[in-house]
Amino acid sequence: KNEVEQSPQNLTAQEGEFITINCSYSVGISALHWLQQHPGGGIVSLFMLSSGKKKHGRLIATINIQEKHSSLHITASHPRDSAVYICASSNEKLTFGTGTRLTIIP
Amino acid sequence: ETGVTQTPRHLVMGMTNKKSLKCEQHLGHNAMYWYKQSAKKPLELMFVYNFKEQTENNSVPSRFSPECPNSSHLFLHLHTLQPEDSALYLCASSLGLVYQETQYFGPGTRLLVL
Repeated sequence: KNEVEQSPQNLTAQEGEFITINCSYSVGISALHWLQQHPGGGIVSLFMLSSGKKKHGRLIATINIQEKHSSLHITASHPRDSAVYICASSNEKLTFGTGTRLTIIP
Repeated sequence: ETGVTQTPRHLVMGMTNKKSLKCEQHLGHNAMYWYKQSAKKPLELMFVYNFKEQTENNSVPSRFSPECPNSSHLFLHLHTLQPEDSALYLCASSLGLVYQETQYFGPGTRLLVL
């Protein structure tokens, strides 16, 4: 059974700080998804990756298949980045982490 | 706007009521999904439809009944729900099945069962 763990559960940082959120999974997967959920509840897919690194604006996602680990980085963090970040692994099923609640203080 | 709409956005119902949640996608996608998000729990995938056919039912109680009349519309029919069914219900769609595709989520329906 695949298990997905995220750390930290909660993270508070000052505006401008570099942010790292971690995701570990226990079995081989075909892809790893990063999602962002704002306080209103809506979810946006940020990345889907199966190897290496992807970048979109200030967000960078990396994955290490051998170590079964992925990270989401945010550079020059801003209060609008405050949200819950969720990772999900996919093989034959989707398994979600419990999320990391990020708060960026101005 | 993600191209996926859900109605209603909020719903309060008694345990004996029957109601339906509606999801519509305008993206030309072939796969649609229902998720449940309870407080302090991970997202739970409830149902998967691909080309209108149900391909996944993750042990969801029969008081939740999905319907997918075409690739653009997905319904979740609710009857005799329990208070523990109170949650945010999210619909999503993707071009192909999510295991290799990016999903687009609707805004969700926040359900309260009294």
